[in-house]
Amino acid sequence: EDQVTQSPEALRLQEGESSSLNCSYTVSGLRGLFWYRQDPGKGPEFLFTLYSAGEEKEKERLKATLTKKESFLHITAPKPEDSATYLCAVHPVLPGGYQKVTFGIGTKLQVIP
Amino acid sequence: DAGVIQSPRHEVTEMGQEVTLRCKPISGHDYLFWYRQTMMRGLELLIYFNNNVPIDDSGMPEDRFSAKMPNASFSTLKIQPSEPRDSAVYFCASSPVAWNEQFFGPGTRLTVL
Repeated sequence: EDQVTQSPEALRLQEGESSSLNCSYTVSGLRGLFWYRQDPGKGPEFLFTLYSAGEEKEKERLKATLTKKESFLHITAPKPEDSATYLCAVHPVLPGGYQKVTFGIGTKLQVIP
Repeated sequence: DAGVIQSPRHEVTEMGQEVTLRCKPISGHDYLFWYRQTMMRGLELLIYFNNNVPIDDSGMPEDRFSAKMPNASFSTLKIQPSEPRDSAVYFCASSPVAWNEQFFGPGTRLTVL
């Protein structure tokens, strides 16, 4: 069974204090790993897709990386507006073209001014 | 485009009542997904459609849950009869192609008393 574990569950940072969020996954074959951001009372919003180990993607203060067992979301010099819950999701390779997605519980990030 | 539209945004009902949640996907998106989000289990995929056809409903928790997509611009998720443990936020998402980023609606917060 596919598993996605995110850590830490919650993270509190001072503005400008860089850190990383972790997403560990177990899947028979990975088609893609997705990062989403979710603000309170809203639906998840897409950030990145990573497809193969060694791949990196960047967007403003965020950088996502992927290995064969985990992904990291690095946040450089965060600002209060980066406060949100960050979700990791994996799409496994399935026969017959079926789609399946497993989400982690998420990491709730709070950036203090 | 207005994005994925869900209604109602909030629903409070009593145990045993029928509940119908509605979703309008982004025009041109061939895939539609229904999710349930709780604090304990996170985001769980319930069912997804491709070109209005249900493809995988293995995530539907019980026979009390049913989903339909009568046309490309409308889908419903029905719970009958509802139970307190169904209380959660239900999200609808759409995607233009398989294994792509998903675009989420704002969600429906369901409370069953």
